Amino acid sequence: GAGVSQSPSNKVTEKGKDVELRCDPISGHTALYWYRQSLGQGLEFLIYFQGNSAPDKSGLPSDRFSAERTGGSVSTLTIQRTQQEDSAVYLCASSPLSGTQYFGPGTRLLVL
Amino acid sequence: AQSVTQPDIHITVSEGASLELRCNYSYGATPYLFWYVQSPGQGLQLLLKYFSGDTLVQGIKGFEAEFKRSQSSFNLRKPSVHWSDAAEYFCAVGANNFNKFYFGSGTKLNVKP
Repeated sequence: GAGVSQSPSNKVTEKGKDVELRCDPISGHTALYWYRQSLGQGLEFLIYFQGNSAPDKSGLPSDRFSAERTGGSVSTLTIQRTQQEDSAVYLCASSPLSGTQYFGPGTRLLVL
Repeated sequence: AQSVTQPDIHITVSEGASLELRCNYSYGATPYLFWYVQSPGQGLQLLLKYFSGDTLVQGIKGFEAEFKRSQSSFNLRKPSVHWSDAAEYFCAVGANNFNKFYFGSGTKLNVKP
């Protein structure tokens, strides 16, 4: 079956512009996670959605970051007024209730 | 605070040699433990996980890991490394309700012919 997909695969933007990153989880997975992976670093948790519950936004680094999940499926991560330090790979993962995460290929963001 | 430490940033082994990648964690409760592999240009793939029971777990591609509570460790092993195992490996701890995962900074494995 189809795995987790993310779009775009690469995004180059200018400092100060807004960007939207999309994640299509595996059908039926109730949980969805966003992570940031900076060069040479591990994965930094950003936000967690579980079903219709309020998301856990405790990992968002600033109020320029926001995310939503529509209809319990597709999720969009929005970064407003991008900064050069936002350059990273943004990974999305979905999970059934078992807790095993299935990762997408990521979106590589470069802020010039 | 919860954290995961992978002390080795880079490891190089010869093809056919054995491999052990170290992972230490700090977590207040019984952890859920994972190892993922990330090949260049690929997403993360689950190798194995430990939730409970037998502390030696088997995974895909011939990998295994052993949970040692007394040492707060979950080291990954493989008896004989193949060139295709060259990748970056991440250890992770999951919170009990899976609302958060903590990842180590990764170990890059190089395999010499």
